[in-house]
Amino acid sequence: DTGVSQNPRHKITKRGQNVTFRCDPISEHNRLYWYRQTLGQGPEFLTYFQNEAQLEKSRLLSDRFSAERPKGSFSTLEIQRTEQGDSAMYLCASSLGRPYGPTDWAKNIQYFGAGTRLSVL
Amino acid sequence: AQKVTQAQTEISVVEKEDVTLDCVYETRDTTYYLFWYKQPPSGELVFLIRRNSFDEQNEISGRYSWNFQKSTSSFNFTITASQVVDSAVYFCALLRQAGTALIFGKGTTLSVSS
Repeated sequence: DTGVSQNPRHKITKRGQNVTFRCDPISEHNRLYWYRQTLGQGPEFLTYFQNEAQLEKSRLLSDRFSAERPKGSFSTLEIQRTEQGDSAMYLCASSLGRPYGPTDWAKNIQYFGAGTRLSVL
Repeated sequence: AQKVTQAQTEISVVEKEDVTLDCVYETRDTTYYLFWYKQPPSGELVFLIRRNSFDEQNEISGRYSWNFQKSTSSFNFTITASQVVDSAVYFCALLRQAGTALIFGKGTTLSVSS
């Protein structure tokens, strides 16, 4: 399977615990994105990496959230001191990168993993 | 501000019916990209199509077709002769040329019964 892989698929934790999710992007993709999706809503952007550099964070990414992408390969998303409001599906996506002109067709399609569903009790 | 609206929350059809999913977007950018993704019960978002703002040609791929109209800021998706396997949540999304974050609508849940 050469798609985006996320682990674990499901995580149940108690309020106040720390959790970490992993994402393995498509191997040749240099960009990696994290999104959060709550019930009945579309995914909302959290952060993205160009290789190992974290270049953008949304306001949704509170201080309790941290993401890393060491060596520009896999990425981890950690949530510290989880709250019930953190319960959601966390989706990872990867792409070849931003298009620089109208002919760069392939470079801005984001391919998603199956997500990690977090339940905070 | 960038925004995507999918006014239809849920649609139910019987197999072999045609169904159109509506998408209306807002942006002040002149160059942007529009996407449709399918999310089956397994949870993975499956890429279906991308259109550039400067290309208003409609596209057909098998039973799927897309109608892009800049004049009405719409990018509608039609499934012809629907099948049970088409049951899923469908998302329309917008990407600015200078942006990285996809801006999604709330999705339309399509249920196809046999």
